[in-house]
Amino acid sequence: DAGITQSPRHKVTETGTPVTLRCHQTENHRYMYWYRQDPGHGLRLIHYSYGVKDTDKGEVSDGYSVSRSKTEDFLLTLESATSSQTSVYFCAISLGNEQFFGPGTRLTVL
Amino acid sequence: GESVGLHLPTLSVQEGDNSIINCAYSNSASDYFIWYKQESGKGPQFIIDIRSNMDKRQGQRVTVLLNKTVKHLSLQIAATQPGDSAVYFCAVPLNTGNQFYFGTGTSLTVIP
Repeated sequence: DAGITQSPRHKVTETGTPVTLRCHQTENHRYMYWYRQDPGHGLRLIHYSYGVKDTDKGEVSDGYSVSRSKTEDFLLTLESATSSQTSVYFCAISLGNEQFFGPGTRLTVL
Repeated sequence: GESVGLHLPTLSVQEGDNSIINCAYSNSASDYFIWYKQESGKGPQFIIDIRSNMDKRQGQRVTVLLNKTVKHLSLQIAATQPGDSAVYFCAVPLNTGNQFYFGTGTSLTVIP
């Protein structure tokens, strides 16, 4: 599993509240990613990071921000959660040409 | 941009039969392809990859075939087992940022 953990694993929140998801890795990987997975869409990239304090937007970045103050942690924040952000969120790292994924966080926005 | 798709969203096979999952891509410059398996409630896991200079690559009970002429790849699973029940994705890397495009996935169900 490339030493990737995500927290929380499940969260239910209300529209308009802020939410932060955490991805933690233990193997000093440079690249980290946040994806969301929805039926009929596959994995879609939200944001990624190529080093501490170096981040960039992905395909579906609107409504999300990220921070990476340490190599091991990549945080995804929903400043004001909306129902359209109900999804399963996966963190990933890349190692060579492969990506390794965390176990996922199921977020429900009511 | 890259387009990655799967022909069949669901596939049911009898235990012991062979399974074939297909994927089409649009960028003829793609030079690397990956298959992932995702079991229910888990993150995707790497199964096998293939480079564009190959037509075929075999792993343990899995074979990936690449047809660059029609921009199509397939994943073949031999003697399918109940533990093979999962969603299977193909993925192709973009040229920058170690990013990938993922197909929407095919759900494989193995009938005992």
